[in-house]
Amino acid sequence: DAKTTQPTSMDCAEGRAANLPCNHSTISGNEYVYWYRQIHSQGPQYIIHGLKNNETNEMASLIITEDRKSSTLILPHATLRDTAVYYCIVRANSGGSNYKLTFGKGTLLTVNP
Amino acid sequence: NAGVTQTPKFQVLKTGQSMTLQCAQDMNHEYMSWYRQDPGMGLRLIHYSVGAGITDQGEVPNGYNVSRSTTEDFPLRLLSAAPSQTSVYFCASRGAGFVYEQYFGPGTRLTVT
Repeated sequence: DAKTTQPTSMDCAEGRAANLPCNHSTISGNEYVYWYRQIHSQGPQYIIHGLKNNETNEMASLIITEDRKSSTLILPHATLRDTAVYYCIVRANSGGSNYKLTFGKGTLLTVNP
Repeated sequence: NAGVTQTPKFQVLKTGQSMTLQCAQDMNHEYMSWYRQDPGMGLRLIHYSVGAGITDQGEVPNGYNVSRSTTEDFPLRLLSAAPSQTSVYFCASRGAGFVYEQYFGPGTRLTVT
């Protein structure tokens, strides 16, 4: 799986957009970008994933650069409940026993009132 | 659906004691796995299962046993607890095929003294 690099921490004002970057310069053509988050003392929660195109769901938007070497997770209107560690994970959907997610250290996003 | 449930939420053991951490899911997912999370270490895969009757080792399997007699349940057994097994344990599940959304349980916080 490709290695990812994320900032250790970020701050965001409540109600503003939170933009979390992820660098994955060694990503392969068949590897997807996934984002999970972990609110304190809870299990990780899936947010979104994408391959090439930008993606949006009810939680967030994912913007992937054209060369796919980096991506940005956007929380359009951050709330205090979005304070969490956000993990960017890159891996291939190769089927079979795809059991393992490799979680790095992620970005601690703190949403301030 | 209850999703992924884990019991107990908290447990204190003495060195050498044994116990079983319970995990159950009601989503008919084929794949289930156990992770442990230690401060500054991220999540590490202990054991996983790709279906009833099939289990395999992850990154850190020593000191843990698993079995999968039903689709719903995937218990993790500590045969002789050691202080190094003090951690937060998460169970996860996902469906078959190329779906990559893993669902995590709320975690079990284990302390071994």
